[in-house]
Amino acid sequence: EPEVTQTPSHQVTQMGQEVILRCVPISNHLYFYWYRQILGQKVEFLVSFYNNEISEKSEIFDDQFSVERPDGSNFTLKIRSTKLEDSAMYFCASKSWQYDGYTFGSGTRLTVV
Amino acid sequence: GQQLNQSPQSMFIQEGEDVSMNCTSSSIFNTWLWYKQEPGEGPVLLIALYKAGELTSNGRLTAQFGITRKDSFLNISASIPSDVGIYFCAGHSVGADGLTFGKGTHLIIQP
Repeated sequence: EPEVTQTPSHQVTQMGQEVILRCVPISNHLYFYWYRQILGQKVEFLVSFYNNEISEKSEIFDDQFSVERPDGSNFTLKIRSTKLEDSAMYFCASKSWQYDGYTFGSGTRLTVV
Repeated sequence: GQQLNQSPQSMFIQEGEDVSMNCTSSSIFNTWLWYKQEPGEGPVLLIALYKAGELTSNGRLTAQFGITRKDSFLNISASIPSDVGIYFCAGHSVGADGLTFGKGTHLIIQP
């Protein structure tokens, strides 16, 4: 069954450092997303990306965050200067049509120290 | 932002029992989705609902999209040990591309 692949599975970074989280969505999907989940809490929407541009972003997705689809397969989330409160699981998701159910990756656990 | 109220927060049940959980919203949703999450994994889609009143089953799971479009429930019949996990409701509010998630129902099954 097709999967959304995320790397790395766990990243530890120092506060103030830049991190890039990587995702390979399902190949025929057109809509791409990043969500995060702080430990023990609900999943929160960060950003959606369609047709090579951001289509929606939440208030969490401030100027420290950016997304990119640098080629036909990868979808990345960059956090420019990490803060302690950025520690969370970050999930990439993709889907083939607008109101389809998403397929989520297994997540990247980001720990900012 | 949008809020989904999911209940109960946790359930401790005996194997073989039926389970029911629900989500409510103060505003209308266009879709309702139910996900299951196990430790260290991403959410896995169980059931997707697209129309008010829709009732959909997936094996022992049944979910309904409320006719007011402001609520949904998920039932699990004859629970088994592998049903353990956290169940999340989620949905698209009108005009939104991103999903709003509930806080989850933690299901624990005692043999």
